[in-house]
Amino acid sequence: QVQLVQSGAEVKKPGSSVKVSCNDSGGTFNYYTFNWVRQAPGQGLEWMGRITPILDTANYAQKFRGRLTITADKSTATVHMEMRSLKSEDTAVYFCARDIGVSTTYYVYWGQGTLVTVSS
Amino acid sequence: DIQMTQSPSSLSASVGDRVIITCRASQTINSELHWYQQKAGLAPSLLIFDTYSLQSGVPARFSGSGSGTDFSLTISSLQPEDFATYYCQQTYSTPQTFGQGTKVEMK
Repeated sequence: QVQLVQSGAEVKKPGSSVKVSCNDSGGTFNYYTFNWVRQAPGQGLEWMGRITPILDTANYAQKFRGRLTITADKSTATVHMEMRSLKSEDTAVYFCARDIGVSTTYYVYWGQGTLVTVSS
Repeated sequence: DIQMTQSPSSLSASVGDRVIITCRASQTINSELHWYQQKAGLAPSLLIFDTYSLQSGVPARFSGSGSGTDFSLTISSLQPEDFATYYCQQTYSTPQTFGQGTKVEMK
């Protein structure tokens, strides 16, 4: 059974960085596209960026360019999301989600979410 | 960026009601429109992909329709487990964007 398992909750100070991981337990890791989506408290879903491990190139929403890095570790089937220069407005649940391969763009599998709290 | 506008933002309905949620894109997105359901404290789950297609395991009371810029999600007979928030999403262009959500509450 496919599972995306994310790392645990984080509490960070403004100006610091956070790295959240997402491990994919099933399938052909390299050929899926992994997306990161965040949800601020009581708010909707916001797409942040994505990576396809076989291509090793990430795409980012303009809003996050310069302080977001998404990487993929093929040896451990894990995708990482690192955000720098954190602000209180970055407090949110961060989800990884992926498609099911060629010609699919919708998110069939989701991680459980990781709460990142940014507070002084 | 393509803006996705859902309506209504919330609605109250009873078990057995027919519920329709609409989603309008700011430009044409072909059929790359998907619907997700999210329950409190959980990750979203896929209901409908590519406008019409029902995700495996999703009850047949859910259906999707539309084309171009106007799309809708219909729940033919609302069940207790359907009280949740629903989001549309376009993946036609980057950045992928979501609607603001529609919360379906019990009347």
